[in-house]
Amino acid sequence: NFMLTQPHSVSESPGKTITISCTRSSGSIASTYVHWYRLRPDSAPTTVIYDDNQRASEVPDRFSGSVDSSSNSASLTISGLRTEDEADYYCQSYDTNNHVVFGGGTKLTVL
Amino acid sequence: QITLKESGPTLVNPTQTLTLVCNFSGFSLSSTGVAVSWIRQPPGKALEWLGLIYWDDDKRYNPSLQSRLTLTMAASGKQVVLTMTNMGPLDTGTYYCAHRRPAVTNQFFDYWGHGTLVTVSS
Repeated sequence: NFMLTQPHSVSESPGKTITISCTRSSGSIASTYVHWYRLRPDSAPTTVIYDDNQRASEVPDRFSGSVDSSSNSASLTISGLRTEDEADYYCQSYDTNNHVVFGGGTKLTVL
Repeated sequence: QITLKESGPTLVNPTQTLTLVCNFSGFSLSSTGVAVSWIRQPPGKALEWLGLIYWDDDKRYNPSLQSRLTLTMAASGKQVVLTMTNMGPLDTGTYYCAHRRPAVTNQFFDYWGHGTLVTVSS
């Protein structure tokens, strides 16, 4: 099986842009879709990006997703950071046996 | 509207078996392509996928936990039960059930329950 590696934490000021990476350890990142979820305390997880680059409903266009085969990584980019973007973000994919894999999560702090 | 809700004990003794129930509405597990998954999060740690049950009763389990896990669906198609044996302190965490968007292979969870916190302690 493969692993998805994310930075443990990212911090930036309001109005700035950040990118969270999700690097696949083996196999091509492009071979299966990557999805991104947001976890806030005391709330159910919600989808931010699905199918690599599709924004979930009600997610503003400040959020975007992409996949880069050269680095074997997926990325979540958030522009125009707001304090309400503070949360833990997880990438997720799956293998050829339909086993699900989550990244280690990234804590976003908006200073 | 799809909703899911987890229920079960909040405290489990070490070595005991945990049984959690996921009650859902807005879809039926008897419909082709539908699946329900369980995911957990230990305190301060990452999400961990536990397993998934399909509409046709096919199942997938996290290989590292497979020997301890069983997923079953109720005849009503509106409930999924997770059973985990030999619980230990490291199994403490919030347990979520989630609806997998119907697809041939893509595993994407579009709706989640709020989760239920399970503590393993004597």
